[in-house]
Amino acid sequence: AQKVTQAQTEISVVEKEDVTLDCVYETRDTTYYLFWYKQPPSGELVFLIRRNSFDEQNEISGRYSWNFQKSTSSFNFTITASQVVDSAVYFCAQDQTGANNLFFGTGTRLTVIP
Amino acid sequence: EAQVTQNPRYLITVTGKKLTVTCSQNMNHEYMSWYRQDPGLGLRQIYYSMNVEVTDKGDVPEGYKVSRKEKRNFPLILESPSPNQTSLYFCASSFLRTSGFTGELFFGEGSRLTVL
Repeated sequence: AQKVTQAQTEISVVEKEDVTLDCVYETRDTTYYLFWYKQPPSGELVFLIRRNSFDEQNEISGRYSWNFQKSTSSFNFTITASQVVDSAVYFCAQDQTGANNLFFGTGTRLTVIP
Repeated sequence: EAQVTQNPRYLITVTGKKLTVTCSQNMNHEYMSWYRQDPGLGLRQIYYSMNVEVTDKGDVPEGYKVSRKEKRNFPLILESPSPNQTSLYFCASSFLRTSGFTGELFFGEGSRLTVL
C-alpha cells in the first residue's frame, strides 16, 4: 500500500533562514509521480511541483528547490531565504496507480517569523 | 480568471438535513474531484469524475453522492448528513493528458461544513 509520511507537523523559522520540509513515501510501483502542494492561510491548495520517478535531478524554482532521492524514498522541499509569505501548510503527495487520485501526507505547517 | 468556485464556503446544519455543496470550474477541465480535509489525516478523496456522466468512488465515498451533468459543475450531495461528516471540503479540477490523470490539481477555496 502507498504511504506518504511528513514527520514534521509544525516548523517555525525566522525570516531569511533556509528550511527543509521532509517527505518520505512508500510504494511498490516502479513508475510514479510525486507532488508538493501549498495551502496558504486563505485555504485553497496550490500546486507547486510534479516529479516523475525516473527523473532524480534536483529541481530549482526561484527560492524553492526539491531533492528527490529514490534510494531513501524521499522527496524533500527546501525554501531558501524564507519569507513571511511562505507561511502555509505544505503537503507532499503521490499518485495512486490506476486510481486517478493523489495520496496526500498529513502536511507540515510552516510559520515564518518576521 | 481561472478558478474553481465552491458554495457555500461555510455551513452549519443538523443531522439528517440534506445539503448540496456546489462546485464550478471555468477552465474546461475534464477531471473533477472532491476531497475532505481532517486534522491529522491530510486530504482524502471522496469521489472523482473523468468527464461528463463519468464518476467513480474515491477513498471515503460513504454518505456522499455526486453527479456530473455538465463539464463545469460537480456538486457534492450529502443526503443525510451526520456529525462525522463535519469537515473541510475541497473541490478540485484538472486537465487530462493523453496519458490520463496528471495530478496537477486546481483547488477551490474550501467549504467548511459542521453537522450538529
